[in-house]
Amino acid sequence: ETGVTQSPTHLIKTRGQQVTLRCSSQSGHNTVSWYQQALGQGPQFIFQYYREEENGRGNFPPRFSGLQFPNYSSELNVNALELDDSALYLCASSLDSGSGNTIYFGEGSWLTVV
Amino acid sequence: AQSVTQLDSQVPVFEEAPVELRCNYSSSVSVYLFWYVQYPNQGLQLLLKYLSGSTLVKGINGFEAEFNKSQTSFHLRKPSVHISDTAEYFCAVTLPLGQNFVFGPGTRLSVLP
Repeated sequence: ETGVTQSPTHLIKTRGQQVTLRCSSQSGHNTVSWYQQALGQGPQFIFQYYREEENGRGNFPPRFSGLQFPNYSSELNVNALELDDSALYLCASSLDSGSGNTIYFGEGSWLTVV
Repeated sequence: AQSVTQLDSQVPVFEEAPVELRCNYSSSVSVYLFWYVQYPNQGLQLLLKYLSGSTLVKGINGFEAEFNKSQTSFHLRKPSVHISDTAEYFCAVTLPLGQNFVFGPGTRLSVLP
């Protein structure tokens, strides 16, 4: 139990639709990162939010967007869904954005695009 | 840019046998190194990390890893595995001032009775 909770755990969407995934970070953690893990692959960094501001972004198109709220919870939004967006989406929280800090992952949201 | 290679996609091993999971990385600057474990239908859990200091790092569940700068490797070892160690293992690197981890493709460890 890492204290990082994600919702929903599973969902199915149709190509072209939009999806919002939610993450509640561990108490006191002000940094949230999002990763995409396709089947059989390692997680890939989407972006990070630190104190409500985007603090780094991976190689993902603009239709992947995010938000962090004053309580440090976060949302990942994906517009115009494509079949290749089917993956496990992982949220991770940490205290501050320094990479030496331990990050704690949630159990993820499984997204299937049909 | 950094990259991580895990040459063994699957490693079957009998219970109580030793195991080594290999990780090599590429980076033009110093990095921090991590091993994460992912049990079925779960998120990732930190096993151990190397930031600086002693090159032999001990982690949870009896795992250890050794950082070898000249070979750019960070292999994970356990002297005696249990059935419960069956999982996917990911090696990852990050820059000391970076925001993100770069993960390898993972190694599936299957412990056989």
